[in-house]
Amino acid sequence: AQSVTQLDSHVSVSEGTPVLLRCNYSSSYSPSLFWYVQHPNKGLQLLLKYTSAATLVKGINGFEAEFKKSETSFHLTKPSAHMSDAAEYFCVVSDQGGSYIPTFGRGTSLIVHP
Amino acid sequence: EAGVAQSPRYKIIEKRQSVAFWCNPISGHATLYWYQQILGQGPKLLIQFQNNGVVDDSQLPKDRFSAERLKGVDSTLKIQPAKLEDSAVYLCASSLGVGRWADTQYFGPGTRLTVL
Repeated sequence: AQSVTQLDSHVSVSEGTPVLLRCNYSSSYSPSLFWYVQHPNKGLQLLLKYTSAATLVKGINGFEAEFKKSETSFHLTKPSAHMSDAAEYFCVVSDQGGSYIPTFGRGTSLIVHP
Repeated sequence: EAGVAQSPRYKIIEKRQSVAFWCNPISGHATLYWYQQILGQGPKLLIQFQNNGVVDDSQLPKDRFSAERLKGVDSTLKIQPAKLEDSAVYLCASSLGVGRWADTQYFGPGTRLTVL
């Protein structure tokens, strides 16, 4: 069985400071991991994904995430937050255990202060 | 390229009534997903289709929810009868491949259901 835990329900940063959104996963197989972003009144959009190639994955809008198997983590980072980054972020795990069912975390709300 | 289309965008019904949602995935996408997103939570997968076959519906409340994917393209999700706890946003997503766990999902705008 697979599961994903987003460790913070809310993260608050000032514009121009680094962003860290934490995600831990559990999977019995080699997982694929994703981060999706949901802006207010907009649909979910893929930020980046890990699919067993490079462990450091770069996504859109300056975000990146590092797959750490030993820590079962896939934290999302950005060096400098922008006001437009304020949104809900979801970590997703999907593994090849036969069913390819994606499991979403509960979400982390990123708040960016001017 | 046109995105995933959903209708209606909003629906308000009274409990015990029926409701149906429609989804048109991106052309050529083999896999279609229906999710339920309750306020403050992450999306929960209700059902996953590959072409017109069901891959997983383990979290679909089958006593009241049903879904079909006509000819492997459009899909409808129905609730009959609705309960107060069904109030949520219903998201449809599609992805290109079949049996590919690393596929990107493309999401529609969702249908916001309020059950009074």
